[in-house]
Amino acid sequence: AQSVTQPDIHITVSEGASLELRCNYSYGATPYLFWYVQSPGQGLQLLLKYFSGDTLVQGIKGFEAEFKRSQSSFNLRKPSVHWSDAAEYFCAVAPNSGYSTLTFGKGTMLLVSP
Amino acid sequence: DTGVSQNPRHKITKRGQNVTFRCDPISEHNRLYWYRQTLGQGPEFLTYFQNEAQLEKSRLLSDRFSAERPKGSFSTLEIQRTEQGDSAMYLCASSSLVQPGIHNSPLHFGNGTRLTVT
Repeated sequence: AQSVTQPDIHITVSEGASLELRCNYSYGATPYLFWYVQSPGQGLQLLLKYFSGDTLVQGIKGFEAEFKRSQSSFNLRKPSVHWSDAAEYFCAVAPNSGYSTLTFGKGTMLLVSP
Repeated sequence: DTGVSQNPRHKITKRGQNVTFRCDPISEHNRLYWYRQTLGQGPEFLTYFQNEAQLEKSRLLSDRFSAERPKGSFSTLEIQRTEQGDSAMYLCASSSLVQPGIHNSPLHFGNGTRLTVT
C-alpha cells in the first residue's frame, strides 16, 4: 500500500524568504504526486501535480515541486514566501493506473513571520 | 462552475443520533469522493462513486456509515448511531473520468462539513 511522509509538522518562515516543504512517499512504482493547500476551515486546493515527464513541476501561486525518483521525494518549493501563504500543505500520492483515490500525508503547517 | 458544495457546514449532534450530509459536485463531474479529516491528520479516503455506482469503500467505512448517489449527481453520507470518534471534517470532492485507464482530472474539494459529536 502507498504511504506519504511529511516529516515537518510545523515550519516557520520569514516573509520574503524561500520555502521548502518535504514529502517522501512509499510506492512500488512511480505514482501520481500532488500538493494541496488548505486554509483554516476550508477545503483543499490543488497547487500542482506530477504525472510523468519533466521532473520539475510548476504550479499556482508561484510554487514548484521536484520529483526525485532515487529519493522517493516530491518536495515543494517557493522562492519568496508571502504572508498569504500561511496555511497547511498536504502531499498526496495516487496509483498511476488511472487514479481513483489519493493517499495524503499528515500535512505541514506553514507559519509566516513578519 | 460553482465548485463543490457541502451542507451543512457544521453539525453538532449527541452521541447515538443519526446525521446526514449532502454534497453537490461540479455539475459535469462524474466521479464523487468522500474523505474524512481529523485534527492534525491529512484527509483519509472513505468511498467514491462513478456516476451512481459506488466503486470502492475504505475499511474506515464501518457498517454505521452509508453513502449514496442515487441519480449520479448529488451524494449523501449518513452516519447512524454516531460516536464521539466520528467527530471530524467530512470532505467531498469531485472529478471527471476522461478515459478509463487514463488519469482523471484533479480532485476539486468542497469546504467540508465539520461534525461534532457530544
